[in-house]
Amino acid sequence: SQQGEEDPQALSIQEGENATMNCSYKTSINNLQWYRQNSGRGLVHLILIRSNEREKHSGRLRVTLDTSKKSSSLLITASRAADTASYFCATEPPPEGYSTLTFGKGTMLLVSP
Amino acid sequence: EAQVTQNPRYLITVTGKKLTVTCSQNMNHEYMSWYRQDPGLGLRQIYYSMNVEATDKGDVPEGYKVSRKEKRNFPLILESPSPNQTSLYFCASSPGQGRSYEQYFGPGTRLTVT
Repeated sequence: SQQGEEDPQALSIQEGENATMNCSYKTSINNLQWYRQNSGRGLVHLILIRSNEREKHSGRLRVTLDTSKKSSSLLITASRAADTASYFCATEPPPEGYSTLTFGKGTMLLVSP
Repeated sequence: EAQVTQNPRYLITVTGKKLTVTCSQNMNHEYMSWYRQDPGLGLRQIYYSMNVEATDKGDVPEGYKVSRKEKRNFPLILESPSPNQTSLYFCASSPGQGRSYEQYFGPGTRLTVT
C-alpha cells in the first residue's frame, strides 16, 4: 500500500517561529489528512484536504496540497511549546468511500520556550 | 463526551496466552479500525470494519482477529500472542460511508508480550 513520507523526521524550533513539515506520497489520492500525536497518546485530527483543493486553513495551521508533485505541507505559524508533538500525514486512495488511511512515519516537532 | 475508549491501557502478558483488547465508541460511527504503532514504522492498519458484521484485513492482519457484532464495539483478539506483537495499539472510528471523514482515535493500549 502506498505510504506518505514526512520530512523532516525531526524539527526543533523556538517558540514564535514557524514550523513547516512536508509529506510526499506515491499514487493518486482521494484526500490527505494531518494528525497530531502527543507522546504515546492517541492521534488527533487536524485538517483534511481533498484532492481538488489546494490550500486549507485552520487557526494557526495551513495545509497545502500539490497533486502534480504528490506532496503536501503543514505550516504551523507562531509556534508554542504546546505544539510539541509528532505530526503524521495520512492518505486515502480513490475511490471515495474506500475508508482505509495509510499513515506516514511522522515528523517529531520540538518547540522550545 | 464523544470518545473512543480502549481497555486495558497497559498489558504485559506471556507468549501464547489469549487476550482481547476492547474498543468502544459512543458516536454511532459506522467505521472502526485497529492500528499498531511501532518505532520507525509509523501506524499500520490491522483490521477495519465498515459496519456491523463487515470486517476486512488491513496491512498487517496476521496473528489478529476482530469481530463487529455491535456498532459501538470492535474488539481485537490475539489468540496466541508472540513477542513481535509487542506494540502500541490504537482503535479508531469514523462516521459514515461513501465520504471521507476524520478518524477519532482511542488513547492507546501498550502491549508487551514476553
